Amino acid sequence: DADVTQTPRNRITKTGKRIMLECSQTKGHDRMYWYRQDPGLGLRLIYYSFDVKDINKGEISDGYSVSRQAQAKFSLSLESAIPNQTALYFCATSDLGDGGKNIQYFGAGTRLSVL
Amino acid sequence: GENVEQHPSTLSVQEGDSAVIKCTYSDSASNYFPWYKQELGKRPQLIIDIRSNVGEKKDQRIAVTLNKTAKHFSLHITETQPEDSAVYFCAASSLLGTAGGTSYGKLTFGQGTILTVHP
Repeated sequence: DADVTQTPRNRITKTGKRIMLECSQTKGHDRMYWYRQDPGLGLRLIYYSFDVKDINKGEISDGYSVSRQAQAKFSLSLESAIPNQTALYFCATSDLGDGGKNIQYFGAGTRLSVL
Repeated sequence: GENVEQHPSTLSVQEGDSAVIKCTYSDSASNYFPWYKQELGKRPQLIIDIRSNVGEKKDQRIAVTLNKTAKHFSLHITETQPEDSAVYFCAASSLLGTAGGTSYGKLTFGQGTILTVHP
């Protein structure tokens, strides 16, 4: 969905470097999420935010931090990247439409490699 | 917290056959169960969902069934086609009460099933 934009699309970095993955959306949704996808492990939630002043840890938040700069922007930071953070990262948004179903709309993903 | 287990991890079928993917969940409070499809190199997208007050839901060739007592739900694809080849994820969520009213909370996803449909 072109309304959820992730940058960069691909990133190669070295162990110990700090990097930031950015997500912006034009859908007007209050809720935003960061997921990590690894083969055989599915989509695991890193952090989520239900509005600009709300930040919550997901199931695998260690080693990550986030910033909700505005309703439309939600950034994920790796303070000191390590090789096992090599993965495909997805940002997603949702709202309370359709009976509150919380349908997730995903960005195109950022493929991160930590050497 | 919620735990969702998905099986099988890979599934290979011939075109025209049926495919079934099963998920179990641990939290009896979960009451919303969506399925997402991720084609190769693409982003996951919702294909069908079911709420706990419904036992079965169908949309053309895909259907989802839910057994709340056993805490499991399944995706059924009939008359499979090569374009059904993808990774499928199940998920579970429960209702939250917030200042803005009730809505479903965060999703917990299963591990994914790689479905391959051979022509």
